[in-house]
Amino acid sequence: DTEVTQTPKHLVMGMTNKKSLKCEQHMGHRAMYWYKQKAKKPPELMFVYSYEKLSINESVPSRFSPECPNSSLLNLHLHALQPEDSALYLCASSQDRTANTEAFFGQGTRLTVV
Amino acid sequence: AQSVTQLDSQVPVFEEAPVELRCNYSSSVSVYLFWYVQYPNQGLQLLLKYLSGSTLVKGINGFEAEFNKSQTSFHLRKPSVHISDTAEYFCAVIFFGNEKLTFGTGTRLTIIP
Repeated sequence: DTEVTQTPKHLVMGMTNKKSLKCEQHMGHRAMYWYKQKAKKPPELMFVYSYEKLSINESVPSRFSPECPNSSLLNLHLHALQPEDSALYLCASSQDRTANTEAFFGQGTRLTVV
Repeated sequence: AQSVTQLDSQVPVFEEAPVELRCNYSSSVSVYLFWYVQYPNQGLQLLLKYLSGSTLVKGINGFEAEFNKSQTSFHLRKPSVHISDTAEYFCAVIFFGNEKLTFGTGTRLTIIP
């Protein structure tokens, strides 16, 4: 199983809503990532978890709150988002954070903030 | 400064013709190199990677790339493209000591029937 599964695939939320994005992998990977991708742009790193601990936060606003409940799951909690936060949110995992390991990406959650 | 550059934002190619997508990087340290493909409304899929060893790397779907250290390039090639190759292609680099994927700006490959 080389899949990273993200749910939901699409999400529309209002600016006062609270929602969560979920990501799951069963490859035994110990590093997991959240990326944000705007249209026609490359993915931008948001967070990195290594062995279930947050190791990188790329100065992401606090309205995005990541959580890693166990080694297979990664959540992204959303609260009081702005329309400019509308984007494709990609989850990825890799064996660990050493440089020579490839990242596997999920299909993404298309988020629209209204 | 460490950076990765994809010079062509769009590349139109006739079906069954060859294609080369260019990727250059700037670095004073060792690098690991990747090419990812993104089909419309999809996530990213790894096409191939260079970590060490042979500089010619073969990947999935008939793609290959060559690492050229002197020219700091990692161009992607396919000898004969198909309609199904229409997608966005991202070159990505990990700079030794950084451990984060740095993406190029992407190249949109459009196949003309």
